[in-house]
Amino acid sequence: DAKTTQPNSMESNEEEPVHLPCNHSTISGTDYIHWYRQLPSQGPEYVIHGLTSNVNNRMASLAIAEDRKSSTLILHRATLRDAAVYYCILREGGSNYKLTFGKGTLLTVNP
Amino acid sequence: GAVVSQHPSRVICKSGTSVKIECRSLDFQATTMFWYRQFPKQSLMLMATSNEGSKATYEQGVEKDKFLINHASLTLSTLTVTSAHPEDSSFYICSVRGQADTQYFGPGTRLTVL
Repeated sequence: DAKTTQPNSMESNEEEPVHLPCNHSTISGTDYIHWYRQLPSQGPEYVIHGLTSNVNNRMASLAIAEDRKSSTLILHRATLRDAAVYYCILREGGSNYKLTFGKGTLLTVNP
Repeated sequence: GAVVSQHPSRVICKSGTSVKIECRSLDFQATTMFWYRQFPKQSLMLMATSNEGSKATYEQGVEKDKFLINHASLTLSTLTVTSAHPEDSSFYICSVRGQADTQYFGPGTRLTVL
């Protein structure tokens, strides 16, 4: 599985935007970029995913670099409930829908 | 998205006993489910992929005879940890493969083996 690199931790302030970076320099043309987050003692939660174009949904935006070697998850206005570990995952295209979780980024949101 | 439940949420058992964990997809027909394990302060590790009506596919290093997976219906998959030992103590999480290339996760089951 292609690997991703994320900062171990990031801090933000409540009601401010947060940009969570992810590097995936070995991404292949059929790899999808997925983001999940996990609150303490809970199962992960789907956030967003994309292939080449930027994506928006009610939770976040995903900005994908033109060469696809990096991406950024954008939380437009952080709330205390957004404090979690955020995982950037590459999912190989095809029928294999497995997700390989890395260490993720621990996001702390300050009031 | 799909609503996924797990039962029990917590279980404590004695070493040598077997424990069954249920994963239910409450509002979605789950042809594919996944089982993960997460040790404290670590990331999730995929244990196996379960397809309804067929044998599970286990990841390398996961003992299929120790972690028995059954996916007999579109709404239920079970993971049985056989002859559990303290090193099997972990947070077990299932997920359902949903539409549009997403996975919906259960709340997890905390297993403690004494």
